[in-house]
Amino acid sequence: GQQLNQSPQSMFIQEGEDVSMNCTSSSIFNTWLWYKQDPGEGPVLLIALYKAGELTSNGRLTAQFGITRKDSFLNISASIPSDVGIYFCAGQQGNTNAGKSTFGDGTTLTVKP
Amino acid sequence: DTGVSQNPRHKITKRGQNVTFRCDPISEHNRLYWYRQTLGQGPEFLTYFQNEAQLEKSRLLSDRFSAERPKGSFSTLEIQRTEQGDSAMYLCASSKDRLLSYEQYFGPGTRLTVT
Repeated sequence: GQQLNQSPQSMFIQEGEDVSMNCTSSSIFNTWLWYKQDPGEGPVLLIALYKAGELTSNGRLTAQFGITRKDSFLNISASIPSDVGIYFCAGQQGNTNAGKSTFGDGTTLTVKP
Repeated sequence: DTGVSQNPRHKITKRGQNVTFRCDPISEHNRLYWYRQTLGQGPEFLTYFQNEAQLEKSRLLSDRFSAERPKGSFSTLEIQRTEQGDSAMYLCASSKDRLLSYEQYFGPGTRLTVT
């Protein structure tokens, strides 16, 4: 089936540093979504991307929809301790399976004060 | 708070028992989704509804699993004859019916432990 590969699997950074993570697939997706999940909670939607090449920001977060439609990237600038958590990418194909999101296995971010 | 709510938050049950979880979506959202998440993995799609119609079911949803959404409002997910492999976080999400793209908003999940 479809798989999304997220990398890196985990990151340990110092407060104030910038962070980059990415998500790749062998399949084309028409929508990319980025979520953050804290322990014991549901994922929280951060950014949604709808067009190839699109670059969208949400505060210190910036995400890009890859030109090939098979990848997406998330950057966090000037990290702070509350950025700690697991970041998931999710893709939607936008056809008859429009309701179904396929998720990666996450990037775990640790921020040292 | 107008977010997605799920009850219970935690459920411990013995193998072989039946369990039922409830999800209340955001009020103006007519799409509702169920996902399952195990430790170290991303959520895996189980099924989704548009209003009261169940439009897709994953192969992960064995015949012991059934989901309903009567009247197109809240939904229930029932697992019959639970097995230890059913232990997971069960997540519910909802979205508006938007052409081709669906921003899904998740609830806090129900963590099931089968002993």
